[in-house]
Amino acid sequence: DIVMTQSPDSLAVSLGERATITCKSSQSVLYNSNNKNYLAWYQQKPGQPPKLLIYWASTRESGVPDRFSGSGSGTDFTLTISSLQAEDVAVYYCQQYYSTPPNFGQGTKLEIK
Amino acid sequence: QLQLQESGPGLVKPSETLSLTCSVSGGSISSSSYYWGWIRQPPGKGLEWIGSIYDSGSTYYNPSLKSRVTISADTSKNQFSLKLNFVTAADTAVYYCARDKRGGGDCCNWFDPWGQGILVTVSS
Repeated sequence: DIVMTQSPDSLAVSLGERATITCKSSQSVLYNSNNKNYLAWYQQKPGQPPKLLIYWASTRESGVPDRFSGSGSGTDFTLTISSLQAEDVAVYYCQQYYSTPPNFGQGTKLEIK
Repeated sequence: QLQLQESGPGLVKPSETLSLTCSVSGGSISSSSYYWGWIRQPPGKGLEWIGSIYDSGSTYYNPSLKSRVTISADTSKNQFSLKLNFVTAADTAVYYCARDKRGGGDCCNWFDPWGQGILVTVSS
């Protein structure tokens, strides 16, 4: 199984500032035949199901604000929120879908400083 | 707009079988070329994929749960179901159903949308 490890476990950022969450996979999730990274990011607010933000490591889901961006390749990935808004307080998860089972990271809790 | 809704008992006794159903509206599970999955989240913890099903009956399961899990589909009702046998307290979690959004008959990818989830507690 591919193990996904996020850092940090929690993060406090001031409103309007940049928030950066990293995700590392235990093996590469880059599929060489199509040059795609098999990685997604989700946002989960309290009492709600996860919401898809990004897939293919950097493709933003329709309707997701452009302050959210994903980057990285191979084993190292980043979710960046360019200017933190109050509504971005949530737990963020990465997930690999390179191989079954499609495992999630442990989550990063993002709060306002 | 595609919507998913989980239903089933909120309390299950240890060693018994957990049974949940996901009702899908706003789209058909049998004509969509998507896999449909179950994911769970123990209270205060992270997400664990349980398994996914295609309308043809093709299934994929998490190896960690495979011996206890059965996922099935009832296309006439536009529903798919989860059965988890021999439950223990470690199976207490919010159970979500979700669509594997990649489509094209490919499993197991990113999930969207998700149901609201149902808390199932295992306790005597």
